[in-house]
Amino acid sequence: GNSVTQMEGPVTLSEEAFLTINCTYTATGYPSLFWYVQYPGEGLQLLLKATKADDKGSNKGFEATYRKETTSFHLEKGSVQVSDSAVYFCALTYNTDKLIFGTGTRLQVFP
Amino acid sequence: SQTIHQWPATLVQPVGSPLSLECTVEGTSNPNLYWYRQAAGRGLQLLFYSVGIGQISSEVPQNLSASRPQDRQFILSSKKLLLSDSGFYLCAWTPGALVWGNQPQHFGDGTRLSIL
Repeated sequence: GNSVTQMEGPVTLSEEAFLTINCTYTATGYPSLFWYVQYPGEGLQLLLKATKADDKGSNKGFEATYRKETTSFHLEKGSVQVSDSAVYFCALTYNTDKLIFGTGTRLQVFP
Repeated sequence: SQTIHQWPATLVQPVGSPLSLECTVEGTSNPNLYWYRQAAGRGLQLLFYSVGIGQISSEVPQNLSASRPQDRQFILSSKKLLLSDSGFYLCAWTPGALVWGNQPQHFGDGTRLSIL
């Protein structure tokens, strides 16, 4: 079946460091891919998405590229801020709007 | 603009008590509605989804049930709560499906449920 695998956290970085959170997927066809962010005590917010191979989603300095050949959708940011501290979820949909989530990766950024 | 509301924000209930969590969406018609649970230290699991009034699909067997009495109202219930029902419950919606598979979901702020 379809699934999403994320790197385990927590990821701990200093402010202005480079961020990568790995995400790979398994799907029978060509899913749509998403990154959601959950700030402490809040619900989830869509961060970015990509709906076909080689698409790049971007928002708030974050980027992720849909790589069909490696079935990956890694999240990157060139310079993280303390305010980026949150839990990040990679997710996919395939022929439905039902999301299949990864387990989430907690990011902690220190000044 | 569309908004989604969940309440209560936090809830502490004893084992064996009933549960009712409510979610409403404003500013849209015929949305698809979803209930997710996030257990401590774990990812999100889809519990129920609904594509219309009275239409509920359950994704996993459990102690919970869902109902959709009105187009923009989605209720999560239990007759007798278990300790394992503790978690963070999130409601979400997408526009009624014309194109499946690339609609981002819009989430409420969640309900943190603690069972004692």
